[in-house]
Amino acid sequence: EDQVTQSPEALRLQEGESSSLNCSYTVSGLRGLFWYRQDPGKGPEFLFTLYSAGEEKEKERLKATLTKKESFLHITAPKPEDSATYLCAARTGANNLFFGTGTRLTVIP
Amino acid sequence: KAGVTQTPRYLIKTRGQQVTLSCSPISGHRSVSWYQQTPGQGLQFLFEYFSETQRNKGNFPGRFSGRQFSNSRSEMNVSTLELGDSALYLCASSYQTGSNSGNTIYFGEGSWLTVV
Repeated sequence: EDQVTQSPEALRLQEGESSSLNCSYTVSGLRGLFWYRQDPGKGPEFLFTLYSAGEEKEKERLKATLTKKESFLHITAPKPEDSATYLCAARTGANNLFFGTGTRLTVIP
Repeated sequence: KAGVTQTPRYLIKTRGQQVTLSCSPISGHRSVSWYQQTPGQGLQFLFEYFSETQRNKGNFPGRFSGRQFSNSRSEMNVSTLELGDSALYLCASSYQTGSNSGNTIYFGEGSWLTVV
């Protein structure tokens, strides 16, 4: 059975304190690992897609990496505006995304 | 460039009623997918439409249905509403269906449905 697990469920960081969010997946035939950011009351905002083990992508203070079993979202020197829920999702075919339950990040000034 | 547009943003319905939600994809996108988001279950895939044809369907009862028009706009319908159908319904669009590299999936802001 396809499964995507994110950890931790919640993370509180001081401003400037770097950390990583984990997304482990067990899916039959990964066709892309997606990362989204979701603010309260809003739809998910696209961040990255990774397709093959070893691939890395960066955007401002965020860097996503992918291995054969998990993906990491590294946050370097976070700011309060980075506070949000971060979702990862595996695409197993067509445009069907299988989501994890998310990591709720709070960055304290 | 306009994003994915969903209407209405908020609505309240009574048990047993039906509801129709609308989605306009990003211009040029031909794939539209629908998701349900609840605190307990997270984001769950409902179905995907491409060129007016349903391509994929998630594990939801037949009360949940959808369609896509020739201009790629899509609607989803939920009949005989239950309290458990209260959720954020999200529409997502992409240029094409399939797992091609670069086929990014973008979400709208969602429609908040409350069933009382």
